[in-house]
Amino acid sequence: NAGVTQTPKFQVLKTGQSMTLQCAQDMNHEYMSWYRQDPGMGLRLIHYSVGAGITDQGEVPNGYNVSRSTTEDFPLRLLSAAPSQTSVYFCASSWGQGAYEQYFGPGTRLTVT
Amino acid sequence: AQKVTQAQTEISVVEKEDVTLDCVYETRDTTYYLFWYKQPPSGELVFLIRRNSFDEQNEISGRYSWNFQKSTSSFNFTITASQVVDSAVYFCALTDSGGGADGLTFGKGTHLIIQP
Repeated sequence: NAGVTQTPKFQVLKTGQSMTLQCAQDMNHEYMSWYRQDPGMGLRLIHYSVGAGITDQGEVPNGYNVSRSTTEDFPLRLLSAAPSQTSVYFCASSWGQGAYEQYFGPGTRLTVT
Repeated sequence: AQKVTQAQTEISVVEKEDVTLDCVYETRDTTYYLFWYKQPPSGELVFLIRRNSFDEQNEISGRYSWNFQKSTSSFNFTITASQVVDSAVYFCALTDSGGGADGLTFGKGTHLIIQP
């Protein structure tokens, strides 16, 4: 049982490049989400999904796209990277919203130059 | 809107001291859930505890204890006889029963340094 996995662990992009951060979970969780962590800011919700085929925006969605074609995978796409997107990105999954414990992946450290 | 305030940005204590991390929250919901997560230097987020708004019992788990007080909207975390391995950033978080676009609302974290 790998839990929540994220790839890559580290990434450096140039401004304007695009890339996809991968997230997968093997716990059959319906709810998945992406957060970004910036120094002194805690974690902020980017996008979330309550099940395959359903996604919605969180607090800071601009500049990011997501899709959920399977229960297991929830990739995060940066369409045109900007220095403001330099951050650590965490993917999380759980049985549902609200009361359920969120299981977090190990994070992806992204630097945009 | 929900809000979580962790006023202590950084705390430094000597090993074996007791230390309390403060968490104050704001929400209009009557049903909500509070969490504490630990982020050690390695960077992963480790779940510590969940408490729902209807359960004000304090919780103790080994050297860790949590004090939930609805009257003061606080959910404080105490480490007794601290150890160097407790050094980490600790986050308090809040969500309502629906989750939704708020997801987990995190505080900014308290960086705890335990000196040997």
